[in-house]
Amino acid sequence: SQQGEEDPQALSIQEGENATMNCSYKTSINNLQWYRQNSGRGLVHLILIRSNEREKHSGRLRVTLDTSKKSSSLLITASRAADTASYFCATPAIGGGSNYKLTFGKGTLLTVNP
Amino acid sequence: EAGVAQSPRYKIIEKRQSVAFWCNPISGHATLYWYQQILGQGPKLLIQFQNNGVVDDSQLPKDRFSAERLKGVDSTLKIQPAKLEDSAVYLCASSFFLWGQGSGNTIYFGEGSWLTVV
Repeated sequence: SQQGEEDPQALSIQEGENATMNCSYKTSINNLQWYRQNSGRGLVHLILIRSNEREKHSGRLRVTLDTSKKSSSLLITASRAADTASYFCATPAIGGGSNYKLTFGKGTLLTVNP
Repeated sequence: EAGVAQSPRYKIIEKRQSVAFWCNPISGHATLYWYQQILGQGPKLLIQFQNNGVVDDSQLPKDRFSAERLKGVDSTLKIQPAKLEDSAVYLCASSFFLWGQGSGNTIYFGEGSWLTVV
């Protein structure tokens, strides 16, 4: 079952602007991941943040996690046309056999206009 | 290092026909996943293997879908007979450890196999 949900569904900005995407989830988690998917390609892991972390940086990416609100945000600074992609948050959920599985939201489609 | 390899990249079949997708994970990765991604949605886990054993196949439509991972390396996903609603991208992924709540290890995805059922 889907655990995380991204907002907004689509975002269009100009090159150089910052892009912020949000993810809300339903149950307590130990970690949350963000993935990027370029059109027609597979998913690429961007960053993982653990429940005891509030903020994490990787290059132009900044991820925050608020466990009290069950939400996370992904900020891309100084966006480039190459950042155009769908962005997914991924969270753990109980799967079959009580094993954890990684579940994905529907994603945010980011378009960066040159 | 080589990534997750999948083939074929694209396949068009008629409904009620069968199709098979192949996946070769990253060398040394014990865990292999098959996800289904319908256009405009996020990936949905179909089946998860640890070595050659099934860990989770709770969302695999077993009346038409089957998957195997012989010798704990390569895997095939088969659909027979295909329905129109099976049109999707089938993503294979792998990770070093069995993914769990605590480990949070990275999952590496292949480029996907695009299936169109007409």
